Amino acid sequence: QSVLTQPPSVSGAPGQRVTISCTGSSSNIGAGYDVHWYQQIPGTAPKLLMYGNSNRPSGVPDRFSGSKSGTSASLAITGLQAEDEADYYCQSYDSSLSGSVFGGGTKLTVL
Amino acid sequence: EVQLLESGGGLVQPGGSLRLSCTASGFTFSNYAMNWVRQAPGEGLEWVSAIGASGGSTYYADSVKGRFTISRDDSKNTLFLQMNSLRAEDTAVYYCAKGDFGGVIVPFDYWGQGTLVTVSS
Repeated sequence: QSVLTQPPSVSGAPGQRVTISCTGSSSNIGAGYDVHWYQQIPGTAPKLLMYGNSNRPSGVPDRFSGSKSGTSASLAITGLQAEDEADYYCQSYDSSLSGSVFGGGTKLTVL
Repeated sequence: EVQLLESGGGLVQPGGSLRLSCTASGFTFSNYAMNWVRQAPGEGLEWVSAIGASGGSTYYADSVKGRFTISRDDSKNTLFLQMNSLRAEDTAVYYCAKGDFGGVIVPFDYWGQGTLVTVSS
């Protein structure tokens, strides 16, 4: 059972928009700690996709955007492409655990 | 170019020990926090441990506290994870991940390719 809760799966057709939610609590996201997102293509290492809630590292398309409000955060992907099919993880810091925490991951399927 | 290369994984019996290494290049290793993150087969990511820049502070997930020890040798640009009293549930790919700053409350901007640890008799 992950500290951060994500939907197990989401799907969308090419060109559509999907969102992935990440719900935490008052000891992590709700405490003001930043949320970061990672993309993992099966068989490869995770890649930083979004940091500080809504900032894209160099090279990440602007089709990806992030937001945070209260005890939750969201990752939005517009103009879905086949190459976006991957697992997505949110991450934050938890003050009661004194360490980083990840969401359980969301598998994105591009129909 | 930042590179992180893990080594030391393998098959170990329950109760045994293993020491993982992560050799870094392409950045000033001593200036950055480093982490270990693991992923059990078919499962999600689990943060394991972190060490601040210059090794001043260490942090552990409850699941490994008292059994695993993180350390670093800045002179050799190498991160370590000493794993003792290994259990079947420690079976996973272990990733070395670089923090994007010196503290531990930061995103992980670069990851290694991972090393597989299998705990089985």
